[in-house]
Amino acid sequence: EADIYQTPRYLVIGTGKKITLECSQTMGHDKMYWYQQDPGMELHLIHYSYGVNSTEKGDLSSESTVSRIRTEHFPLTLESARPSHTSQYLCASRTGGADQPQHFGDGTRLSIL
Amino acid sequence: GNSVTQMEGPVTLSEEAFLTINCTYTATGYPSLFWYVQYPGEGLQLLLKATKADDKGSNKGFEATYRKETTSFHLEKGSVQVSDSAVYFCALSELGGAQKLVFGQGTRLTINP
Repeated sequence: EADIYQTPRYLVIGTGKKITLECSQTMGHDKMYWYQQDPGMELHLIHYSYGVNSTEKGDLSSESTVSRIRTEHFPLTLESARPSHTSQYLCASRTGGADQPQHFGDGTRLSIL
Repeated sequence: GNSVTQMEGPVTLSEEAFLTINCTYTATGYPSLFWYVQYPGEGLQLLLKATKADDKGSNKGFEATYRKETTSFHLEKGSVQVSDSAVYFCALSELGGAQKLVFGQGTRLTINP
């Protein structure tokens, strides 16, 4: 089993709040990713990181930001949550080349009222 | 750009039926191909992978063969069980840039006893 953890699992919060979704992995993987999964199940990459102090935006425009100060930690922050941010957020990590699989956490289901 | 197309769902079968979920891809070069499974309330789990043409990935009775000539990676299982009910995602791993996963739209599978 992959060791990648996301907290909280579920979050219901009001509009305008600042939110941080946590993602940690204990495998020492260098590459980490955030995906947004919409209710229709499709997954879209919103952020990724090659390693410490490296962050890049993904394909889907997102108002969230990320940081990578430590190898094992890749938190995602929303400065002011809006109902349009309601979604499931999945964190993943990988080591090695493109032939290696990404390992996923269980996700955070976020609802903004 | 790269893309993955899965058969439309949802798919409903009876226990012990034969399963095929079609997946075709468009890609530059020869990407690695993956099938992931998502059970309710969980993240994605790697089901199987193949990294080059004619490779067959297999796990838990599921199989898929990397077909370069038809750009396909169809998922098959000879006899499904109720516990196989889940959402299945076909994906390719891009060779450059973020080496992100490009997912199909997902296929929801329900197995009735």
